[in-house]
Amino acid sequence: EDQVTQSPEALRLQEGESSSLNCSYTVSGLRGLFWYRQDPGKGPEFLFTLYSAGEEKEKERLKATLTKKESFLHITAPKPEDSATYLCAVQVSGGYNKLIFGAGTRLAVHP
Amino acid sequence: NAGVTQTPKFRVLKTGQSMTLLCAQDMNHEYMYWYRQDPGMGLRLIHYSVGEGTTAKGEVPDGYNVSRLKKQNFLLGLESAAPSQTSVYFCASTSPQGANTGELFFGEGSRLTVL
Repeated sequence: EDQVTQSPEALRLQEGESSSLNCSYTVSGLRGLFWYRQDPGKGPEFLFTLYSAGEEKEKERLKATLTKKESFLHITAPKPEDSATYLCAVQVSGGYNKLIFGAGTRLAVHP
Repeated sequence: NAGVTQTPKFRVLKTGQSMTLLCAQDMNHEYMYWYRQDPGMGLRLIHYSVGEGTTAKGEVPDGYNVSRLKKQNFLLGLESAAPSQTSVYFCASTSPQGANTGELFFGEGSRLTVL
């Protein structure tokens, strides 16, 4: 069964304290892996697409990386405005553009 | 630029009542989706549409119906609401290219409580 697991469920950081969020997946055939940010009371907002192992994408303080079994979202010197829930999703081969979402990691960055 | 607009934002129903959630997008997107989000679980696809007049089932379609009579609108109906349908519902839209890159545009959600 295709599955996406994110860890940790919640993470508390001090401003400037770098860390990483993990997204591990077990799927029959990966077409792409996607990261989203979701603020409280809002819908998810697209961040990155990764297609193959070794690929990296960056945006401001965020960098996403991909291996054959997992993806990491690295947050460098985070600021309070980076506080949000970060969602990972995978698209599988042979699907109907179906995305399988993980449950997310709630990140809180304190000044 | 409104993007994806969902109405209503909040609704409380009694078991057995019916209701319709409306999603409207102004980006001329072909694809539209309805997801539900429950605590501790990932977003789950209820139904989707790849064009005006077409609909298809997702992962959790039971108890829901949809219609896409106009390209910009995607309606989600609950014929007989059950407490298990208490959730936050998100509508999303994208282009065919966006579906391949995972770039979905989401509305702000509709919080439904069924008593």
